[in-house]
Amino acid sequence: GESVGLHLPTLSVQEGDNSIINCAYSNSASDYFIWYKQESGKGPQFIIDIRSNMDKRQGQRVTVLLNKTVKHLSLQIAATQPGDSAVYFCAERNDMRFGAGTRLTVKP
Amino acid sequence: GAVVSQHPSWVICKSGTSVKIECRSLDFQATTMFWYRQFPKQSLMLMATSNEGSKATYEQGVEKDKFLINHASLTLSTLTVTSAHPEDSSFYICSASNLNQPQHFGDGTRLSIL
Repeated sequence: GESVGLHLPTLSVQEGDNSIINCAYSNSASDYFIWYKQESGKGPQFIIDIRSNMDKRQGQRVTVLLNKTVKHLSLQIAATQPGDSAVYFCAERNDMRFGAGTRLTVKP
Repeated sequence: GAVVSQHPSWVICKSGTSVKIECRSLDFQATTMFWYRQFPKQSLMLMATSNEGSKATYEQGVEKDKFLINHASLTLSTLTVTSAHPEDSSFYICSASNLNQPQHFGDGTRLSIL
């Protein structure tokens, strides 16, 4: 079965606000995590990754936090824009079965 | 970033025909390729994992004789849907990876069987 799952199926935020998307995993041996963004009619697009020797990694407007103690990771999107509306998936490198994903909707 | 090309992007065919979908890794050698299908408003469902030069490993419930996967080179994998029927209509997505690259996805193939 899936080793990675999402807490919430939908998230609606106001344009300009920050978004936080959460993900839980079950395998404590997991050592590399990836966040993907999937827009309608397209394949998932790589956003950011993090290895288990890190707690935090930042990209452009995105930050991923990893809490190995509770086997949880989150994706934070700063100043969310309409173009961020999509479904977001987390995945563990060695088990590429996807959870349900979180659909982010950005309200103007 | 790494590019994975999938072809065709859209295909319509009659029931009973076979359809081949190609997945190419354009700028890195993909030792592993994955095939997914996705129904509307649902997540990606992993169908099979293929390693170059080996037989694909299919997920439970996926018919290997129905969905033929070939991964003969480090840059190309194909998925053939044999004797396709309307229930096979779906969005098929491939991805490619190796030890130095996370999975990169193609843009999917929308398959419609009439």
